[in-house]
Amino acid sequence: GAVVSQHPSWVICKSGTSVKIECRSLDFQATTMFWYRQFPKQSLMLMATSNEGSKATYEQGVEKDKFLINHASLTLSTLTVTSAHPEDSSFYICSARNPLSGQDYGYTFGSGTRLTVV
Amino acid sequence: SQKIEQNSEALNIQEGKTATLTCNYTNYSPAYLQWYRQDPGRGPVFLLLIRENEKEKRKERLKVTFDTTLKQSLFHITASQPADSATYLCALVEYSTLTFGKGTMLLVSP
Repeated sequence: GAVVSQHPSWVICKSGTSVKIECRSLDFQATTMFWYRQFPKQSLMLMATSNEGSKATYEQGVEKDKFLINHASLTLSTLTVTSAHPEDSSFYICSARNPLSGQDYGYTFGSGTRLTVV
Repeated sequence: SQKIEQNSEALNIQEGKTATLTCNYTNYSPAYLQWYRQDPGRGPVFLLLIRENEKEKRKERLKVTFDTTLKQSLFHITASQPADSATYLCALVEYSTLTFGKGTMLLVSP
């Protein structure tokens, strides 16, 4: 199997505060996890690739000091949105792939986190 | 980088008909292409994967084709049901990461 659990499913925070989102692989070990952001009626945009035990790789235009990623274990990656502002309001989704899955299997996604910054 | 185009207009069909969704890409043909389903407020769910050397792949009522000459993949749902209503995303794999299209919303009416 390949189950990815993401928490919280929604969060409302005040402008200037920080929010942490967790992504866990429940039944497999994930050396790599991916963080996406999706605005309404838009495609998922890859923000960063989270690597267990090393620094995350950020996509162009994504501020690494604002979106802190920690992948301290093989089953947990966290994304912290620091000093959140209303423009950070979006749907954040993590994903991973079970390395033991057959080659005909794709990626497993978390259920997403709706962040609203007020 | 790749540009992936999916019909942004919603596709409305009647229950029982076959739905056909299109995915076009602009640059080099990827090693493989994936299709996902996304329901509102949820993360995508993997449906099918097709390799560049495969013309067609089937899974139950789903069928995917891959034409590297046209740079296009078609996604078919036969005998569609209202429960198939969702947004369907096409994704290409580049350097182990996924690049998604915007998706096409499918609405199946009873």
